[in-house]
Amino acid sequence: NAGVTQTPKFQVLKTGQSMTLQCAQDMNHEYMSWYRQDPGMGLRLIHYSVGAGITDQGEVPNGYNVSRSTTEDFPLRLLSAAPSQTSVYFCASSRLAGGGYEQYFGPGTRLTVT
Amino acid sequence: GQQVMQIPQYQHVQEGEDFTTYCNSSTTLSNIQWYKQRPGGHPVFLIQLVKSGEVKKQKRLTFQFGEAKKNSSLHITATQTTDVGTYFCAGPPGNTGKLIFGQGTTLQVKP
Repeated sequence: NAGVTQTPKFQVLKTGQSMTLQCAQDMNHEYMSWYRQDPGMGLRLIHYSVGAGITDQGEVPNGYNVSRSTTEDFPLRLLSAAPSQTSVYFCASSRLAGGGYEQYFGPGTRLTVT
Repeated sequence: GQQVMQIPQYQHVQEGEDFTTYCNSSTTLSNIQWYKQRPGGHPVFLIQLVKSGEVKKQKRLTFQFGEAKKNSSLHITATQTTDVGTYFCAGPPGNTGKLIFGQGTTLQVKP
C-alpha cells in the first residue's frame, strides 16, 4: 500500500493564480481531511469529507474548495491564490479504531504564493 | 468552537533528561490522540486515549488522559536524540472524524 500520496511536493504560485493540490489514499478510508500548517499555529483543518459526495468545512475554509467524487481522491482547490495561503498542506485519511479516528498523513505540499 | 492548547511551545533538554508536554481542551473530549512530527516530515499517529484517567505506555513514553477528559499529558523518560520533533495532541469536536489539533510542543535534545 502506498498509503496517502500528495502531489506536487513543492509549488510556487503568483497571486491570483489557481491550482489543485492532489491527494489520494489506497486504504479504503471513509474520512479524509485537509490541513494547513503554519509556524506556531499547529495544524488547522481546512475541509474534511466523511465519504464520497460528502464534504464539510473545517476551521479555515475560506479561499479553498474541495470535492469527493471517489473514496480514493480528495483534491483541494485554491481559487485565487493569496500570499496568506503560503503554507505546508497535509492531506490525511482516517480509520475508525478503538473509539476514535486515527489519522494517516501524506508527505505534504509546500506552497509559496508570491 | 473547541480549542486545544498545548504547553510549552518549545522545550530544550539535555539528553537523558525527562520531558513533559501538556494538552488542555476547552470542551470534554470523547478521545485524545497524540502525533509526532519529525523536522521536515509529516505527523505520525502515536496513540489514542479513550477512557477517563487512562494511562498508556510505549517504551519510554507515558500518556495520560485526565479524569474529566479535558486534559492530557505526554511524558518522555530519559530523552534521546531520536525523540527530537514536534508533539501534537488532537481531539474531535463531538463524535466526528475530524480533529482539532493543539499548536504542538517542539522538543530539542542536546547530545
